[in-house]
Amino acid sequence: GESVGLHLPTLSVQEGDNSIINCAYSNSASDYFIWYKQESGKGPQFIIDIRSNMDKRQGQRVTVLLNKTVKHLSLQIAATQPGDSAVYFCAELKNSNSGYALNFGKGTSLLVTP
Amino acid sequence: DSGVTQTPKHLITATGQRVTLRCSPRSGDLSVYWYQQSLDQGLQFLIQYYNGEERAKGNILERFSAQQFPDLHSELNLSSLELGDSALYFCASSQRGTTNEKLFFGSGTQLSVL
Repeated sequence: GESVGLHLPTLSVQEGDNSIINCAYSNSASDYFIWYKQESGKGPQFIIDIRSNMDKRQGQRVTVLLNKTVKHLSLQIAATQPGDSAVYFCAELKNSNSGYALNFGKGTSLLVTP
Repeated sequence: DSGVTQTPKHLITATGQRVTLRCSPRSGDLSVYWYQQSLDQGLQFLIQYYNGEERAKGNILERFSAQQFPDLHSELNLSSLELGDSALYFCASSQRGTTNEKLFFGSGTQLSVL
């Protein structure tokens, strides 16, 4: 079936290093992807999005890369800070029973150590 | 703060009972989405409303129902509750409810069914 999945359930990085969180998707027709960050006790927070007509998009300290050939999405966080510790979700726009909805992966837990 | 308000924050109830979760979208947003988050299933899309009308439906159980009122707030009704319904329920909103639009999430309602 069509799904969004994450390669690693947990990722530990040192403060100041760059982080890379990966995501695979299987629906080649998906044309919109979003990364969300969820801190403990809070709802998912939008980080960055990308459309399928783009390969790369940059935000503040974050970059999303989209490789449609291998159906792979990644989130790069530059100079990771303790405040970046959270669970990161990728989501793809998916055709549901009626209409479109964002389909979320299971999430990757990022732990930033001093 | 995303601007999406969910009440209550916590809800503890017994099997077989019925509960109502409430959501107020961001000011100006016309569309509301409901998601269920559990440890084993991740974030699952339940249903979307736009300006009072159902727009998209995910794997929402028949025991669950939702509606969006003229003032745009939404309620998710869960009935005949089972232990497996214990989860975090998130509401999100967006401006137009169209594809390729980011969602803003509330802080969620933690439902515990005992």
